[in-house]
Amino acid sequence: GAGVSQTPSNKVTEKGKYVELRCDPISGHTALYWYRQSLGQGPEFLIYFQGTGAADDSGLPNDRFFAVRPEGSVSTLKIQRTERGDSAVYLCASSLIDSWGEQFFGPGTRLTVL
Amino acid sequence: RKEVEQDPGPFNVPEGATVAFNCTYSNSASQSFFWYRQDCRKEPKLLMSVYSSGNEDGRFTAQLNRASQYISLLIRDSKLSDSATYLCVVIPGGGATNKLIFGTGTLLAVQP
Repeated sequence: GAGVSQTPSNKVTEKGKYVELRCDPISGHTALYWYRQSLGQGPEFLIYFQGTGAADDSGLPNDRFFAVRPEGSVSTLKIQRTERGDSAVYLCASSLIDSWGEQFFGPGTRLTVL
Repeated sequence: RKEVEQDPGPFNVPEGATVAFNCTYSNSASQSFFWYRQDCRKEPKLLMSVYSSGNEDGRFTAQLNRASQYISLLIRDSKLSDSATYLCVVIPGGGATNKLIFGTGTLLAVQP
């Protein structure tokens, strides 16, 4: 079946611009996660959705970052006033609620802020 | 101090070698432990869970030592296809979140 999909695969933007990154989870997965990965580092947790609500947003670095999942399926990560330090691969993952630890990752969106 | 620490490597080993990776975690309340594998420019994928009793999956053996807050992964009879980054992963305790905390990863290069 279809895995987690993310669009766009690459996004180049200028400092100060607004970007939206989309994640389409595996059908039936109620849990959705966003991570970001910088070069040479492991993925870093950003936010976790259970259904439509953000159950844990403790990883969002500041108020320029926001994520929504209005219908409990597709999620959008929004970054305002982008900075060069936001450049990274943004990974989305989904899982069944009782799939403790097994999260299925999408291919990621590579964001470059010039 | 990082929550999960790993030697970044790289580990360069010949085919057929046995190689071991170690990882330490700082939060003694951590509940669950895993190894994920990440190929170059690809997404991470679950390799195996790690249990206190130790567990084996083919050529791969994982061990957890809660007293020392230490996790290990042993790969026997290395194959070229084992070349990847191995990520040590912990789910922290104390809450209902399923968030994964990753180490920086250990790069393995198996040479012919």
